[in-house]
Amino acid sequence: DIQMTQSPSSLSASVGDRVTISCRASQSINNYLNWYQQKPGKAPNLLIYAASRLQSGVPSRFSGSASGTEFTLTISSLQPEDFATYYCQQSHSAPPTFGGGTKVEIK
Amino acid sequence: QVQLQESNPGLVKPSGTLSLTCAVSGGSISRSNWWSWVRQSPGKGLEWIGEIYHDGGTNYNPSLKSRVTMSVDKSKNEFSLRLTSVTAADTAVYYCVRSVVIGINEDINFFDPWGQGTLVIVSS
Repeated sequence: DIQMTQSPSSLSASVGDRVTISCRASQSINNYLNWYQQKPGKAPNLLIYAASRLQSGVPSRFSGSASGTEFTLTISSLQPEDFATYYCQQSHSAPPTFGGGTKVEIK
Repeated sequence: QVQLQESNPGLVKPSGTLSLTCAVSGGSISRSNWWSWVRQSPGKGLEWIGEIYHDGGTNYNPSLKSRVTMSVDKSKNEFSLRLTSVTAADTAVYYCVRSVVIGINEDINFFDPWGQGTLVIVSS
């Protein structure tokens, strides 16, 4: 299975901050990488697919980028509703696998 | 838009069988989508269990394949999961999810939407 490693596992930030979350794949996955946001007690929600394509309805402050096996989710200006846990997921090879998550907390 | 709702078996005894059903509303299960089960536990994070197509075709995670069976009921617009010989390690929140496939080569896929999830506890 392809291993997905996220960093950091948690971070503290303030409203208005620029936040970056990293995800590294254990092997090449081209750009078959998705990002999800999960709030407590809720299901994950798709933010970005194919590394950089914004899902319909997702605010433009969210963006994704890729460089080799390294992927980044950026929140340009953190909003109160963005405090949540974020997961990456590769869809290149079966079985699809997820990163361990990055919890974004209020500083 | 499509919405998914899991049934709620709640408590399952060790060595027993976990059975879940996902009701699909707002769209036909027979459209060109795969339908997946994903579970989430504190110990193992998010784990894909497997997927089923409306014609009954399946793909399972090799780590669970020997214990998993999925089925689809087009007349009820729902699909189901059966996991046998459960242990405490199978305690998790179970989500049913639509697996969307897009792109010219049908090579881009992602999970959207997700059901609200149902907590299954394996305990005697």
